[in-house]
Amino acid sequence: DVKVTQSSRYLVKRTGEKVFLECVQDMDHENMFWYRQDPGLGLRLIYFSYDVKMKEKGDIPEGYSVSREKKERFSLILESASTNQTSMYLCASRLDRVTNEQYFGPGTRLTVT
Amino acid sequence: QQQVKQSPQSLIVQKGGIPIINCAYENTAFDYFPWYQQFPGKGPALLIAIRPDVSEKKEGRFTISFNKSAKQFSLHIMDSQPGDSATYFCAATLVVRLYFGRGTQLTVWP
Repeated sequence: DVKVTQSSRYLVKRTGEKVFLECVQDMDHENMFWYRQDPGLGLRLIYFSYDVKMKEKGDIPEGYSVSREKKERFSLILESASTNQTSMYLCASRLDRVTNEQYFGPGTRLTVT
Repeated sequence: QQQVKQSPQSLIVQKGGIPIINCAYENTAFDYFPWYQQFPGKGPALLIAIRPDVSEKKEGRFTISFNKSAKQFSLHIMDSQPGDSATYFCAATLVVRLYFGRGTQLTVWP
């Protein structure tokens, strides 16, 4: 079974802090994704990565950056957290560009106060 | 703009009922249409998916109906059970990306 793990289930940070959200997958998947989930808005793509050291902006990249130094790990960085970044963050991975199914982690609920 | 439009936002049915969730899209380049199911505290998981050259797909109690000319697709859950209570997302794929609908929160009363 594919396993996607996220470093924290719940996180509380203060406005202005730098925040790191970590995601690890154990199935040698090439593609990895970060989504944000808000009630009534569905899942919105923040960034994705085709492969190591490669990244592409999604629909809402402002205020976020990412890092993928190793194939199994994809980090989402909030350079200076703001209250409007309070949300559920979901990481997903996919085998490659040909395979369609994405596997999701359990999510990190981030609260910025 | 929203690439995939989903309705209704919430749905309540009795056990044994047949909830139907509808989605519509505009981009004819989409080539794969999955449905994801999400339980509270969990990430979404693939439930069932269809390609645009097929009009219907069944897996157990779950059926996707696909109307290519109308650019619409829907999820039907036969003989719904309380354990089906979850949030359902339709989606469409273009190259690498998945575009999600906004979700439908389904409640099945016993």
